[in-house]
Amino acid sequence: NAGVMQNPRHLVRRRGQEARLRCSPMKGHSHVYWYRQLPEEGLKFMVYLQKENIIDESGMPKERFSAEFPKEGPSILRIQQVVRGDSAAYFCASSPGHGPTYEQYFGPGTRLTVT
Amino acid sequence: LAKTTQPISMDSYEGQEVNITCSHNNIATNDYITWYQQFPSQGPRFIIQGYKTKVTNEVASLFIPADRKSSTLSLPRVSLSDTAVYYCLVVGGTGRRALTFGSGTRLQVQP
Repeated sequence: NAGVMQNPRHLVRRRGQEARLRCSPMKGHSHVYWYRQLPEEGLKFMVYLQKENIIDESGMPKERFSAEFPKEGPSILRIQQVVRGDSAAYFCASSPGHGPTYEQYFGPGTRLTVT
Repeated sequence: LAKTTQPISMDSYEGQEVNITCSHNNIATNDYITWYQQFPSQGPRFIIQGYKTKVTNEVASLFIPADRKSSTLSLPRVSLSDTAVYYCLVVGGTGRRALTFGSGTRLQVQP
């Protein structure tokens, strides 16, 4: 069973461009979470989605950021008009259920660099 | 949301037992205590989870006293490959499924 897959692993964008980060959850997992990690800091929750629905977006910046998890295909985190402060590692996690005892399986992350 | 406090860093030598203690004074009745491990340039990996008393798996043990206001992750006989950041998290009580990561404990294992 393949783990959580994220692509690209590294992404370089110029200020003002759009960044699209993809996450394919583990097989059978319908719950996806996105986190952002700045250097030397812990991960910060951004958004939680369950197939076609955003369940919790309390950690998402109000502007420029959006996420989706369509019925078919990977979950996408989109950052429009990127700025230098968006440079970070973005991790996706998935779980098979939503209870507290369901562990979240993390992908390898996408490292976004904004120049 | 229960806040967790753990040491910023710890040093150890190969073959020693390492104990990392985390305090979570405001833990709620429905909360679980969960530990994750993160290597550089990788996503976090689940280590162990418990609610009370002691839990043991092939990787670690988790000790939780009766008042549940703290917990201790025990890593037996560490090796160089255990060098990583270890995060203590409190999960579940409010119904939120998002994990709240603090700064973690940076464990450095030396030969």
